[in-house]
Amino acid sequence: RKEVEQDPGPFNVPEGATVAFNCTYSNSASQSFFWYRQDCRKEPKLLMSVYSSGNEDGRFTAQLNRASQYISLLIRDSKLSDSATYLCVVNRGQAGTALIFGKGTTLSVSS
Amino acid sequence: GAVVSQHPSRVICKSGTSVKIECRSLDFQATTMFWYRQFPKQSLMLMATSNEGSKATYEQGVEKDKFLINHASLTLSTLTVTSAHPEDSSFYICSAGSKGERSHEQYFGPGTRLTVT
Repeated sequence: RKEVEQDPGPFNVPEGATVAFNCTYSNSASQSFFWYRQDCRKEPKLLMSVYSSGNEDGRFTAQLNRASQYISLLIRDSKLSDSATYLCVVNRGQAGTALIFGKGTTLSVSS
Repeated sequence: GAVVSQHPSRVICKSGTSVKIECRSLDFQATTMFWYRQFPKQSLMLMATSNEGSKATYEQGVEKDKFLINHASLTLSTLTVTSAHPEDSSFYICSAGSKGERSHEQYFGPGTRLTVT
């Protein structure tokens, strides 16, 4: 089983749509969870950390369910500029350990 | 946020030659740095964890004699791809971990695109 698994995508949505990405992870010792965004041929950039209580940052909402080892990202009111690949990322255990990336889900927002 | 640089950003080399990639943390000390590579349409795959002053820890399947890692100071780690072959062509990205209450965060360099001809 892969350490981090994501929806295969791609997701093609119109502007203004709401889209949800799902992710599962296999290591129950993981303590830190993130969503990164990666644009074509660029390095990944941190979109948001994910906390057990769920957290929101503008149009983006992340949820974490430790019991089922499941992470989600909800994007509301999609913009053209949201088009990118979204990477679900967990760490291996204690703070400061390596990050393990999911394969990513590609989002394409069209006008 | 913290800044991590990589050099070079792009390199083309001939098969059989060696290539060195530098990763620097510009405004903080990084006791641990990580090296990843990304093949087209694939995700980032962890290659190794680089610890300052000690040997790197390599992931399963990554040849330590081919991918030499040196972390001689708290702000610099280098990855040398020895005897590079076309299948080593990839996007190599480093990251550096911070300390203290932000130790769960990592800061990524802009990546180095290696093409081996």
